[in-house]
Amino acid sequence: GENVEQHPSTLSVQEGDSAVIKCTYSDSASNYFPWYKQELGKRPQLIIDIRSNVGEKKDQRIAVTLNKTAKHFSLHITETQPEDSAVYFCAASIGYGNKLVFGAGTILRVKS
Amino acid sequence: DTEVTQTPKHLVMGMTNKKSLKCEQHMGHRAMYWYKQKAKKPPELMFVYSYEKLSINESVPSRFSPECPNSSLLNLHLHALQPEDSALYLCASSKEGGVQYFGPGTRLLVL
Repeated sequence: GENVEQHPSTLSVQEGDSAVIKCTYSDSASNYFPWYKQELGKRPQLIIDIRSNVGEKKDQRIAVTLNKTAKHFSLHITETQPEDSAVYFCAASIGYGNKLVFGAGTILRVKS
Repeated sequence: DTEVTQTPKHLVMGMTNKKSLKCEQHMGHRAMYWYKQKAKKPPELMFVYSYEKLSINESVPSRFSPECPNSSLLNLHLHALQPEDSALYLCASSKEGGVQYFGPGTRLLVL
């Protein structure tokens, strides 16, 4: 089955700096890659997603890139703010996306 | 209504109790999910319902019993749970092949 590895497990950045989180997936048939942000005690919330027919997607300070050949995708957050501090999960799924396999998560701390 | 709701928010139960978790959405989504999340871990898929039929069961022990009474409701019936079943139980819904939207979860403690 699909396996998703996520790095780093923790990431500390200074406010205003950029943050990059990387994920690698194992099944070349995976074609949908969402990123979720989960604040302490809250539900996971989708922040951006990408499908395999697109190489990059951007939404204001957040961008996701996908390299299908290498089977990895990355989350880029620019101009980080303290409210970006949370746990970020990448995920991958095959076909219609009903079965998401999550990475282990990255704790992002933005220091002001 | 653009949210997934779950009740109760918190639940404490003994190992001999029977309880149920409830999930509701009114976004017209035809896929609904149960996930289990332990502290500092990612959500783990338990069950998927598609068009009110169970389509995925991730080898979940029979002490967890899902039910989808209609397209807006999803229940998880709990019986004879173990302390290691204590976790945050998340419900999610989506269009087929679409973004999964999570509910706030039920925090379960089994004593």
